[in-house]
This record gives sequence, C-alpha cells and structure tokens, in this order.
Amino acid sequence: GAVVSQHPSWVICKSGTSVKIECRSLDFQATTMFWYRQFPKQSLMLMATSNEGSKATYEQGVEKDKFLINHASLTLSTLTVTSAHPEDSSFYICSAVDPSTDTEAFFGQGTRLTVV
Amino acid sequence: GIQVEQSPPDLILQEGANSTLRCNFSDSVNNLQWFHQNPWGQLINLFYIPSGTKQNGRLSATTVATERYSLLYISSSQTTDSGVYFCAVVGSGNTGKLIFGQGTTLQVKP
Repeated sequence: GAVVSQHPSWVICKSGTSVKIECRSLDFQATTMFWYRQFPKQSLMLMATSNEGSKATYEQGVEKDKFLINHASLTLSTLTVTSAHPEDSSFYICSAVDPSTDTEAFFGQGTRLTVV
Repeated sequence: GIQVEQSPPDLILQEGANSTLRCNFSDSVNNLQWFHQNPWGQLINLFYIPSGTKQNGRLSATTVATERYSLLYISSSQTTDSGVYFCAVVGSGNTGKLIFGQGTTLQVKP
C-alpha cells in the first residue's frame, strides 16, 4: 500500500509558540491530503482537507488562522499550529489516498503535541 | 452527515477466543475501512472493504452495503491484537474524507 510519513512523532512546545508538522507521501503523488486530530480516549476528527496549489478546506469549528495548512508540492503538506495553547495538546495525524484505488486512505505515524 | 456507530465499545477476551466487532453507518458509502490503532497511536490498515468479504490471516471482514453495516472478525485472538479498532467511512460524493466511529477497545488477556 501507499506510504505516508509524518514528522515529528512528538513535540513539546511552550505556550504561545508555533509548531510545524510535516506529512509526506513517499511513493506516490497526493493532490489532496487530510489532517485529523485525536484527543485522549476519543476518536479521530477531520480538521481540514489540504489541496495542492490551493487553499485548504476546514471543517466546521476548526480555526483556519490557528491551524495553517500549506500543500506546496504533490508530496508534502504541512500543518502549523500557531500561538499554541495547552488546549491544543493532542494527537495530530495526516492521511492521503492511494491513487491506485482513489479511495483507500493511508495514514502517517501521527504527531503527539504537548503544549506546556 | 453520515453517522458511524461501533459496538461494543469495550471488549475483554481471553487469549485464543474469537470476537466480532460491528460497524453501522447511516447512509450509502464510497469506502469503508477498518483500522487497528496501536499503543503508539499509529493507524494500521486492516481492510479496505466497501462491500463483500475479505480475509487476511486470523482477521476477516464483511460489509453488507445495502444494509449499512460491516463486521470485523478476529479469530484465535492474541495479546498483540489488543488496542483500539476503528471503522471509518467515506460518504458518497466524497473522496478520502473519512468519518470515524468511536472505536472498540479490545483487551486480550494471556
């Protein structure tokens, strides 16, 4: 199956700073990638759809100015959590769709963000 | 939007036992996938199964799209099967936007 790589796996940052998370498709090109968030003991919730060469589409309730998404190439999408606060501490994980099926999604390893 | 319900929410098994996890969804779907989330959070693809039946070793899955449910069977469970199992669907007209159920937390005891 398709391989998606995410970096870093974990990060601790101070309140008020920004953190960038990278999501790469390693063996295929992805015009669209997806970012999810998972709080402890909860399910995954879609935050936004990252579109190569155009603006991201955010789900209802997700602040676009806080969670900046850039999809500058066909293999890389980045999520920047700006002015992070402790309540942003969560598990962030990206996915991309295998172009051979056009529907099966594969996920990166996820990033555990802790804001102190 | 589509609602995805998984049952049971929690399941404790003795090693070697069999189990069935269920996923109900409220509308027609383009895609249905089963995942196993390991203790480090990584989502492992188990099955891509919008319809029909598939088997992979001790695991198998069946999706009856017309009745809007899917089942994941685990046979001869092992302690390494422990973790959270998620069902996720993509609604008709969408590509890649997965809607997740709340998951089933499985604990297999030795």
